[in-house]
Amino acid sequence: IAGITQAPTSQILAAGRRMTLRCTQDMRHNAMYWYRQDLGLGLRLIHYSNTAGTTGKGEVPDGYSVSRANTDDFPLTLASAVPSQTSVYFCASTPLLAGIYNEQFFGPGTRLTVL
Amino acid sequence: AQSVTQPDIHITVSEGASLELRCNYSYGATPYLFWYVQSPGQGLQLLLKYFSGDTLVQGIKGFEAEFKRSQSSFNLRKPSVHWSDAAEYFCAVVGGADGLTFGKGTHLIIQP
Repeated sequence: IAGITQAPTSQILAAGRRMTLRCTQDMRHNAMYWYRQDLGLGLRLIHYSNTAGTTGKGEVPDGYSVSRANTDDFPLTLASAVPSQTSVYFCASTPLLAGIYNEQFFGPGTRLTVL
Repeated sequence: AQSVTQPDIHITVSEGASLELRCNYSYGATPYLFWYVQSPGQGLQLLLKYFSGDTLVQGIKGFEAEFKRSQSSFNLRKPSVHWSDAAEYFCAVVGGADGLTFGKGTHLIIQP
């Protein structure tokens, strides 16, 4: 069982370039999330999706977009990367069912550097 | 909106000594609370969680936490730390269907 996979593991990107971070889970969880982790700030929610076909904005959504075409995949796109988007990005999922919450499971992260 | 405060940015503990990491939350209703641990260069691993019921919850690796509603706290404890416990620890609260709100983390250093 793979759980949650993220790709790439790390990336160095020129400012202004477009980048998509991939996230795939094989647990059939209906809810998925993207967080960024910055030193001294902890993890902050970027976007979320409670079920395929729906998405929502988190605490820091500006400069990012997401889509949820199916249950398993939840890609995060930076349309035009800026240096302030240098961070470690974590994807997570949870089996959110009938409003009953459970723990979130995290992927290994993607380290992104924007120059 | 919900929030989580971890007052201690860094804590240094001698190996074999007891540990308590503090967490205070702000949330209007009964919270769902979590402690996660992150080893260097790794993702997050769940240590324990509180949803309801017994206010003292046991987790993995010998950790426990106590939910105190009157103090809005969910402190993490371990009676005797090991060098392998050196890591970053995050407290988090669920505020609905839009994900977790994390504290800024506490960096635990273990002295030999």
